[in-house]
Amino acid sequence: DTAVSQTPKYLVTQMGNDKSIKCEQNLGHDTMYWYKQDSKKFLKIMFSYNNKELIINETVPNRFSPKSPDKAHLNLHINSLELGDSAVYFCASSQEVGGGGDEQFFGPGTRLTVL
Amino acid sequence: GNSVTQMEGPVTLSEEAFLTINCTYTATGYPSLFWYVQYPGEGLQLLLKATKADDKGSNKGFEATYRKETTSFHLEKGSVQVSDSAVYFCALSSYNNNDMRFGAGTRLTVKP
Repeated sequence: DTAVSQTPKYLVTQMGNDKSIKCEQNLGHDTMYWYKQDSKKFLKIMFSYNNKELIINETVPNRFSPKSPDKAHLNLHINSLELGDSAVYFCASSQEVGGGGDEQFFGPGTRLTVL
Repeated sequence: GNSVTQMEGPVTLSEEAFLTINCTYTATGYPSLFWYVQYPGEGLQLLLKATKADDKGSNKGFEATYRKETTSFHLEKGSVQVSDSAVYFCALSSYNNNDMRFGAGTRLTVKP
């Protein structure tokens, strides 16, 4: 069974469009995250949710809006896509909120290409 | 704030060579330390971790020891294989932070 799954795996779209990426975890974890990985492999935290509540909201344009319908799902909606949004987006989950020595479990990533 | 610094890559080695990837950290309190590995086209996977000073994490022939005196968590492997080619990330998490901090990643290429 896949622990953390994301759809779609690849997303190619035009500038200005609105798109969503879905994430689901079946680990029973309380906390979920979205990361952005740029072309140089640098990982940057975007959001963190704990039990459906927003915990971390890094300096991310408000075109990005996370939605957590329940603690097993954290979706990412992006409005008015820009060229600079092209990256790989990873969803992750952990039992605790960030700390406490808990590892994070990562999804396979969604490669977003904005043309 | 908490941060992680790891050696810049890329690192290219021949099969069976010895590997060291340096990682140092800055943190308040007592963080837990991790090494994650990302194979091409995949997400990150936990490779090993250590939760307190002097702990040694190990997995698949890789080792790293939590050194509080030098604030380091260097990754080592005695004999690398072509299949170890990947990007390696050092990371830390602590009770006083709500997130995990990752280093910039080090790309390792092992040639036959």
